[in-house]
Amino acid sequence: DGGITQSPKYLFRKEGQNVTLSCEQNLNHDAMYWYRQDPGQGLRLIYYSQIVNDFQKGDIAEGYSVSREKKESFPLTVTSAQKNPTAFYLCASSIDSGGTDTQYFGPGTRLTVL
Amino acid sequence: AQTVTQSQPEMSVQEAETVTLSCTYDTSENNYYLFWYKQPPSRQMILVIRQEAYKQQNATENRFSVNFQKAAKSFSLKISDSQLGDTAMYFCAFMEYGNKLVFGAGTILRVKS
Repeated sequence: DGGITQSPKYLFRKEGQNVTLSCEQNLNHDAMYWYRQDPGQGLRLIYYSQIVNDFQKGDIAEGYSVSREKKESFPLTVTSAQKNPTAFYLCASSIDSGGTDTQYFGPGTRLTVL
Repeated sequence: AQTVTQSQPEMSVQEAETVTLSCTYDTSENNYYLFWYKQPPSRQMILVIRQEAYKQQNATENRFSVNFQKAAKSFSLKISDSQLGDTAMYFCAFMEYGNKLVFGAGTILRVKS
Protein backbone atom coordinates (compact mmCIF):
# COMPACT_ATOMS: atom_id res chain seq x y z
CA ASP A 1 0.00 0.00 0.00
CA GLY A 2 1.27 3.44 -0.87
CA GLY A 3 1.12 6.09 1.77
CA ILE A 4 2.74 8.13 4.48
CA THR A 5 3.63 6.60 7.82
CA GLN A 6 4.53 8.40 11.02
CA SER A 7 5.94 6.87 14.15
CA PRO A 8 5.42 6.68 16.98
CA LYS A 9 1.72 7.50 17.31
CA TYR A 10 2.24 8.77 20.87
CA LEU A 11 5.49 10.09 22.30
CA PHE A 12 6.32 11.29 25.77
CA ARG A 13 9.35 13.38 26.52
CA LYS A 14 10.91 14.73 29.65
CA GLU A 15 11.86 18.37 29.69
CA GLY A 16 15.37 18.96 28.38
CA GLN A 17 15.38 15.93 26.08
CA ASN A 18 15.55 15.90 22.31
CA VAL A 19 13.15 13.58 20.50
CA THR A 20 12.90 12.56 16.85
CA LEU A 21 9.63 11.96 15.01
CA SER A 22 9.74 9.68 12.01
CA CYS A 23 8.02 10.30 8.65
CA GLU A 24 8.32 7.90 5.73
CA GLN A 25 6.53 7.89 2.36
CA ASN A 26 6.50 5.38 -0.48
CA LEU A 27 4.57 7.58 -2.90
CA ASN A 28 7.71 8.68 -4.76
CA HIS A 29 6.89 12.27 -3.82
CA ASP A 30 9.62 14.88 -4.10
CA ALA A 31 8.41 17.32 -1.46
CA MET A 32 7.80 16.68 2.24
CA TYR A 33 6.51 18.90 5.04
CA TRP A 34 6.15 19.06 8.81
CA TYR A 35 3.24 20.83 10.48
CA ARG A 36 2.32 21.45 14.08
CA GLN A 37 -1.30 21.50 15.28
CA ASP A 38 -2.37 22.99 18.62
CA PRO A 39 -5.88 22.71 20.08
CA GLY A 40 -8.35 25.05 18.41
CA GLN A 41 -5.86 26.11 15.76
CA GLY A 42 -5.06 25.19 12.22
CA LEU A 43 -1.80 23.68 11.09
CA ARG A 44 1.39 25.71 11.06
CA LEU A 45 4.38 24.88 8.87
CA ILE A 46 7.61 23.98 10.68
CA TYR A 47 9.96 22.87 7.89
CA TYR A 48 9.68 21.66 4.32
CA SER A 49 11.93 19.97 1.81
CA GLN A 50 11.51 20.02 -1.94
CA ILE A 51 14.48 17.82 -2.77
CA VAL A 52 16.94 15.49 -1.08
CA ASN A 53 19.65 17.21 0.98
CA ASP A 54 17.79 20.50 0.98
CA PHE A 55 15.15 21.99 3.27
CA GLN A 56 13.72 25.36 4.26
CA LYS A 57 12.33 26.85 7.44
CA GLY A 58 8.62 27.35 7.72
CA ASP A 59 6.78 29.80 9.95
CA ILE A 60 7.67 28.23 13.31
CA ALA A 61 11.08 26.54 12.85
CA GLU A 62 12.67 27.68 16.12
CA GLY A 63 13.49 24.73 18.37
CA TYR A 64 13.15 22.16 15.59
CA SER A 65 15.58 20.54 13.15
CA VAL A 66 15.17 18.24 10.15
CA SER A 67 17.20 16.21 7.68
CA ARG A 68 16.46 14.86 4.22
CA GLU A 69 19.07 12.26 3.39
CA LYS A 70 16.67 10.04 1.46
CA LYS A 71 13.72 10.87 -0.74
CA GLU A 72 11.45 8.64 1.33
CA SER A 73 12.31 9.98 4.78
CA PHE A 74 12.01 13.36 6.51
CA PRO A 75 12.58 13.04 10.29
CA LEU A 76 11.83 15.93 12.63
CA THR A 77 13.81 16.49 15.82
CA VAL A 78 12.18 18.49 18.59
CA THR A 79 15.03 19.96 20.59
CA SER A 80 15.15 21.14 24.18
CA ALA A 81 15.16 24.68 22.81
CA GLN A 82 11.50 24.33 21.80
CA LYS A 83 9.68 26.10 24.63
CA ASN A 84 6.27 24.47 24.29
CA PRO A 85 6.60 21.25 22.30
CA THR A 86 3.40 19.51 23.43
CA ALA A 87 1.31 19.32 20.25
CA PHE A 88 0.12 17.10 17.42
CA TYR A 89 2.65 16.82 14.59
CA LEU A 90 1.65 16.03 11.03
CA CYS A 91 3.89 15.10 8.13
CA ALA A 92 2.79 15.59 4.53
CA SER A 93 4.15 15.01 1.05
CA SER A 94 3.42 16.17 -2.49
CA ILE A 95 4.41 14.87 -5.88
CA ASP A 96 6.40 17.78 -7.24
CA SER A 97 8.82 20.38 -6.05
CA GLY A 98 8.08 24.09 -6.22
CA GLY A 99 4.66 23.72 -7.77
CA THR A 100 1.14 23.79 -6.45
CA ASP A 101 0.54 20.15 -5.87
CA THR A 102 -1.89 18.70 -3.40
CA GLN A 103 -0.36 17.66 -0.09
CA TYR A 104 -1.26 14.32 1.45
CA PHE A 105 -0.89 13.74 5.17
CA GLY A 106 0.30 11.01 7.47
CA PRO A 107 -1.64 9.91 10.57
CA GLY A 108 0.30 12.18 12.95
CA THR A 109 2.29 11.90 16.17
CA ARG A 110 1.04 13.22 19.49
CA LEU A 111 3.98 14.57 21.54
CA THR A 112 3.55 15.24 25.24
CA VAL A 113 6.22 16.80 27.43
CA LEU A 114 6.08 15.56 31.01
CA ALA B 1 0.93 37.66 4.46
CA GLN B 2 -1.89 35.45 3.38
CA THR B 3 -4.60 34.72 5.92
CA VAL B 4 -7.49 32.27 5.94
CA THR B 5 -10.54 32.90 8.11
CA GLN B 6 -13.19 30.39 9.09
CA SER B 7 -15.81 32.32 11.00
CA GLN B 8 -17.84 29.34 12.26
CA PRO B 9 -16.04 27.53 15.12
CA GLU B 10 -18.78 24.90 15.37
CA MET B 11 -21.78 23.80 13.33
CA SER B 12 -24.28 21.00 13.50
CA VAL B 13 -26.58 19.47 10.91
CA GLN B 14 -29.19 16.77 10.87
CA GLU B 15 -28.38 13.60 8.99
CA ALA B 16 -29.42 13.77 5.28
CA GLU B 17 -29.60 17.57 5.31
CA THR B 18 -27.29 20.10 3.66
CA VAL B 19 -24.77 22.30 5.41
CA THR B 20 -22.42 25.04 4.20
CA LEU B 21 -19.10 25.90 5.84
CA SER B 22 -17.65 29.35 5.23
CA CYS B 23 -14.11 30.42 4.41
CA THR B 24 -12.60 33.72 3.38
CA TYR B 25 -9.01 34.47 2.54
CA ASP B 26 -6.79 37.40 1.85
CA THR B 27 -4.23 37.58 -0.94
CA SER B 28 -2.94 39.98 -3.56
CA GLU B 29 -2.08 37.16 -5.93
CA ASN B 30 -4.13 36.17 -8.96
CA ASN B 31 -3.04 32.55 -9.29
CA TYR B 32 -3.49 30.28 -6.31
CA TYR B 33 -5.20 27.15 -5.08
CA LEU B 34 -7.74 26.48 -2.37
CA PHE B 35 -8.44 23.29 -0.46
CA TRP B 36 -10.82 21.83 2.05
CA TYR B 37 -9.41 19.14 4.33
CA LYS B 38 -11.36 17.00 6.75
CA GLN B 39 -9.94 15.81 10.09
CA PRO B 40 -12.15 13.17 11.75
CA PRO B 41 -11.64 12.07 15.38
CA SER B 42 -8.80 9.80 14.20
CA ARG B 43 -6.97 13.10 13.41
CA GLN B 44 -5.96 11.91 9.94
CA MET B 45 -6.08 14.86 7.54
CA ILE B 46 -8.06 13.91 4.44
CA LEU B 47 -8.34 15.97 1.28
CA VAL B 48 -11.97 16.77 0.50
CA ILE B 49 -11.78 19.06 -2.50
CA ARG B 50 -9.40 21.35 -4.42
CA GLN B 51 -10.11 24.49 -6.47
CA GLU B 52 -7.79 26.28 -8.88
CA ALA B 53 -8.32 30.05 -8.85
CA TYR B 54 -8.04 30.33 -12.63
CA LYS B 55 -11.01 27.99 -13.09
CA GLN B 56 -14.42 29.65 -13.00
CA GLN B 57 -16.26 26.37 -12.58
CA ASN B 58 -16.81 25.31 -8.99
CA ALA B 59 -15.20 22.01 -8.00
CA THR B 60 -17.40 19.05 -7.06
CA GLU B 61 -16.60 15.71 -5.48
CA ASN B 62 -19.66 13.52 -4.97
CA ARG B 63 -21.65 15.10 -2.08
CA PHE B 64 -19.10 17.89 -1.62
CA SER B 65 -19.10 21.06 -3.67
CA VAL B 66 -17.65 24.54 -3.33
CA ASN B 67 -18.89 28.03 -4.02
CA PHE B 68 -15.80 29.92 -5.14
CA GLN B 69 -16.25 33.69 -5.36
CA LYS B 70 -12.86 35.06 -6.45
CA ALA B 71 -13.73 38.75 -6.27
CA ALA B 72 -15.12 38.34 -2.78
CA LYS B 73 -12.25 36.00 -1.79
CA SER B 74 -14.74 33.50 -0.51
CA PHE B 75 -14.56 29.70 -0.70
CA SER B 76 -17.43 27.90 1.01
CA LEU B 77 -17.94 24.14 1.22
CA LYS B 78 -21.39 22.60 0.78
CA ILE B 79 -22.03 19.09 2.06
CA SER B 80 -25.20 17.52 0.71
CA ASP B 81 -27.04 14.54 2.21
CA SER B 82 -24.93 14.75 5.36
CA GLN B 83 -23.83 11.46 6.87
CA LEU B 84 -22.70 10.56 10.38
CA GLY B 85 -19.23 9.89 8.96
CA ASP B 86 -18.98 13.54 7.93
CA THR B 87 -18.56 14.49 11.58
CA ALA B 88 -15.10 16.06 11.71
CA MET B 89 -13.09 19.24 11.88
CA TYR B 90 -12.96 20.91 8.47
CA PHE B 91 -10.04 23.11 7.47
CA CYS B 92 -9.92 25.58 4.62
CA ALA B 93 -6.42 26.09 3.21
CA PHE B 94 -4.77 28.43 0.70
CA MET B 95 -1.72 27.76 -1.46
CA GLU B 96 0.29 29.99 -3.72
CA TYR B 97 2.95 28.78 -6.08
CA GLY B 98 5.62 27.13 -3.98
CA ASN B 99 3.49 24.57 -2.17
CA LYS B 100 3.19 26.44 1.12
CA LEU B 101 -0.22 25.87 2.65
CA VAL B 102 -1.87 28.37 4.98
CA PHE B 103 -4.68 26.93 7.08
CA GLY B 104 -7.71 28.44 8.74
CA ALA B 105 -8.52 27.64 12.37
CA GLY B 106 -11.11 25.05 11.40
CA THR B 107 -14.84 24.41 11.83
CA ILE B 108 -16.11 21.50 13.92
CA LEU B 109 -19.05 19.87 12.15
CA ARG B 110 -21.34 17.51 14.05
CA VAL B 111 -23.85 15.43 12.12
CA LYS B 112 -26.80 14.36 14.28
CA SER B 113 -28.99 11.31 13.76
